[in-house]
Amino acid sequence: AQTVTQSQPEMSVQEAETVTLSCTYDTSESDYYLFWYKQPPSRQMILVIRQEAYKQQNATENRFSVNFQKAAKSFSLKISDSQLGDAAMYFCAYLNLSGTYKYIFGTGTRLKVLA
Amino acid sequence: ETGVTQTPRHLVMGMTNKKSLKCEQHLGHNAMYWYKQSAKKPLELMFVYNFKEQTENNSVPSRFSPECPNSSHLFLHLHTLQPEDSALYLCASSLRTESQLNYEQYFGPGTRLTVT
Repeated sequence: AQTVTQSQPEMSVQEAETVTLSCTYDTSESDYYLFWYKQPPSRQMILVIRQEAYKQQNATENRFSVNFQKAAKSFSLKISDSQLGDAAMYFCAYLNLSGTYKYIFGTGTRLKVLA
Repeated sequence: ETGVTQTPRHLVMGMTNKKSLKCEQHLGHNAMYWYKQSAKKPLELMFVYNFKEQTENNSVPSRFSPECPNSSHLFLHLHTLQPEDSALYLCASSLRTESQLNYEQYFGPGTRLTVT
């Protein structure tokens, strides 16, 4: 069965600094997507970044980038120049493209940004 | 805002009550989802509807009953719930096509449910 593990329940970062959130997953499939979603306090969950497993190049979106290590089944999120608005729960998610088309989420990492 | 709305935002109900949660999307999506979000647990997928047809029921107790009358609306009917059913219930939608390239899910704000 596919699983997603986020081993850091909570992280803190100083404003303007860089932080990395960890995510590992387990799958025997070769065709899948990985995502990072952000859930600000009392606000809707939104997509931060996605990575197609067949792409070797790491995805980037402005201050957000990932370190995708397919062999190690690792998918970490790096946030550069952290801002107060980055404070949120961050969820790592996996989507298998063959079969049931089912999203699997991790338990989340709460990111605090210190002024 | 993501284009997915949920009502009510908060709900307190007794174990013998019957209530319904509503989700609506105006994004032209054809797949809709119900998730349960509890503290310190992964998001739990409950139901999936694709083109109004239920394609996934993730071993959800029968006290939760979904309904998808059209591709824009999704309901979750609740009856005789237990206190452990208290959680944030999230609705999401996505667009599924043969050539879909992003597979992004759009989430609603959730309904905070408390069962007393």
